[in-house]
Amino acid sequence: DTGVSQNPRHKITKRGQNVTFRCDPISEHNRLYWYRQTLGQGPEFLTYFQNEAQLEKSRLLSDRFSAERPKGSFSTLEIQRTEQGDSAMYLCASSLSAGPVNEQFFGPGTRLTVL
Amino acid sequence: AQSVTQLGSHVSVSEGALVLLRCNYSSSVPPYLFWYVQYPNQGLQLLLKYTSAATLVKGINGFEAEFKKSETSFHLTKPSAHMSDAAEYFCAVSDLTGGYQKVTFGTGTKLQVIP
Repeated sequence: DTGVSQNPRHKITKRGQNVTFRCDPISEHNRLYWYRQTLGQGPEFLTYFQNEAQLEKSRLLSDRFSAERPKGSFSTLEIQRTEQGDSAMYLCASSLSAGPVNEQFFGPGTRLTVL
Repeated sequence: AQSVTQLGSHVSVSEGALVLLRCNYSSSVPPYLFWYVQYPNQGLQLLLKYTSAATLVKGINGFEAEFKKSETSFHLTKPSAHMSDAAEYFCAVSDLTGGYQKVTFGTGTKLQVIP
């Protein structure tokens, strides 16, 4: 399967712990996006990479959140000192090129539960 | 800022009946509009997209949507619902902001298909 993959699929953690999620985009896609989806809502944009450069961050991405894409391939999203409000589905998407009509291909998401 | 509004968080139809999921957009420029589908525990999959080439857009799985500028609408329809159509559907609007594709999603409509 050559789609977008995310690991882990589920993560349960205690408040205050750090967590890290991984996204592997479609191999030839140089653009990568992270979204957060809470219950009853659509995905909300968190951050965007073009190759290894992080070009945009949402106001939703507090200082406790950090994302990297070190070699322009896979990406990681780390949340430090997790809070219960961080509980959500974290989705990764990738696309091949720029332009407002490009399809973003989504991974299955990582569901985070903070106890 | 661009936005979309999905009317009805839950829609129930009988198998074989018409599916109509409503989406209205707000945009100061000609919009690029999408419909995505999300099955349980999966990422989002593109159903169709409007790129101004044609007002009636056909997508996968028998879905289509019509762009109506006068009504600022982009409703999704399917003539005959199948059990496999049960999922959550998201309308989205896209533009290029700061050089990247910013996609803003609606809150979603869960479609239930009754046998």
